[in-house]
Amino acid sequence: GIQVEQSPPDLILQEGANSTLRCNFSDSVNNLQWFHQNPWGQLINLFYIPSGTKQNGRLSATTVATERYSLLYISSSQTTDSGVYFCAVLKTSYDKVIFGPGTSLSVIP
Amino acid sequence: NAGVMQNPRHLVRRRGQEARLRCSPMKGHSHVYWYRQLPEEGLKFMVYLQKENIIDESGMPKERFSAEFPKEGPSILRIQQVVRGDSAAYFCASSLGQGGDQETQYFGPGTRLLVL
Repeated sequence: GIQVEQSPPDLILQEGANSTLRCNFSDSVNNLQWFHQNPWGQLINLFYIPSGTKQNGRLSATTVATERYSLLYISSSQTTDSGVYFCAVLKTSYDKVIFGPGTSLSVIP
Repeated sequence: NAGVMQNPRHLVRRRGQEARLRCSPMKGHSHVYWYRQLPEEGLKFMVYLQKENIIDESGMPKERFSAEFPKEGPSILRIQQVVRGDSAAYFCASSLGQGGDQETQYFGPGTRLLVL
């Protein structure tokens, strides 16, 4: 089946710093989403981005489908950005969603 | 427009008991997905359902686990004769359907199951 890798596995940032999280996948996909799981366990949908670039406030994401990777950019990080960031891919509309292992982000004041 | 709702949020069971987890999808969503997250791990797909149909249950353990999404009412994930290894967070997600943005999955708050 399709493999999803995320890097780095762990990241510690000073408040105000910028960061880039990466998601690699081993096959072409129909759908890619980025999620944030906050320290209370809640999963928040950040982006649906099978290709191209999207921006939402301090967050933006780019997926290069032909090269099988996606990037999540966090600018001017805040302590509330702490948590685990997952990317999840769907190969075809009738396939199951595969989650990456996540990047654990800690933003310290 | 209420989001995906799950209840209970926390569930404690003794070994051998049954656990029933409920999920009400977002209004207008007819596709429901269940995932399990073991401690310190990522989410693993369990089952994908549409109204009255199981579309993909390839992630479900073959025994003790079952899921349904009836014509009326919430989706139910049922775990019979629970064991300690079933302790996990169980997340439900829903989507509008297939194709493009309709596949975007929205997650509920999860049910944390603890088996004593």
